Amino acid sequence: AQSVTQPDIHITVSEGASLELRCNYSYGATPYLFWYVQSPGQGLQLLLKYFSGDTLVQGIKGFEAEFKRSQSSFNLRKPSVHWSDAAEYFCAVGPKEYGNKLVFGAGTILRVKS
Amino acid sequence: EPEVTQTPSHQVTQMGQEVILRCVPISNHLYFYWYRQILGQKVEFLVSFYNNEISEKSEIFDDQFSVERPDGSNFTLKIRSTKLEDSAMYFCASSSQENTEAFFGQGTRLTVV
Repeated sequence: AQSVTQPDIHITVSEGASLELRCNYSYGATPYLFWYVQSPGQGLQLLLKYFSGDTLVQGIKGFEAEFKRSQSSFNLRKPSVHWSDAAEYFCAVGPKEYGNKLVFGAGTILRVKS
Repeated sequence: EPEVTQTPSHQVTQMGQEVILRCVPISNHLYFYWYRQILGQKVEFLVSFYNNEISEKSEIFDDQFSVERPDGSNFTLKIRSTKLEDSAMYFCASSSQENTEAFFGQGTRLTVV
């Protein structure tokens, strides 16, 4: 069965510091991969996606993620975190046959300290 | 920028009552979805809908649930007889094609008392 693991439930970083949120997936083939962000009281906003091609993908708000097939990982990074990045981040995978039957990770709550 | 709109943002209902959660997907999208997130748990897929019929549903989506596209703009999720365990945030999403990214609404928080 497909699964997504986000090993860090909470992460706290200082404003201006770099960030990496981890995501590992279990799936029989390379799925579609997504990162979504949820700010308090808001919906799920798509940060970036990987479908094929270049394994380093750029997203909105200065985020990027790298797909590593050998590690079944799709980690999210940002070189310099802003206080407004405090939110919950979800990694999700979807099979290429049904791209939007997404399986979500449990989420990582990011706290930014000034 | 086009967005998925859900109403109401919060609904409280008594156990056993019927509720209808409403969604207006992005206008040129053809694929529609419902997900839910029970407090403290993962976001879970419920159902996908295309061409006026369900294309896939999860085990959660039992006979108590139904979806409908009553007109050209709305997409609804009905729970016939709510249970306490139906309390969750329900997200609607839409996509232009089956294998493109889905755009989510802000969610409806359903509280069953």
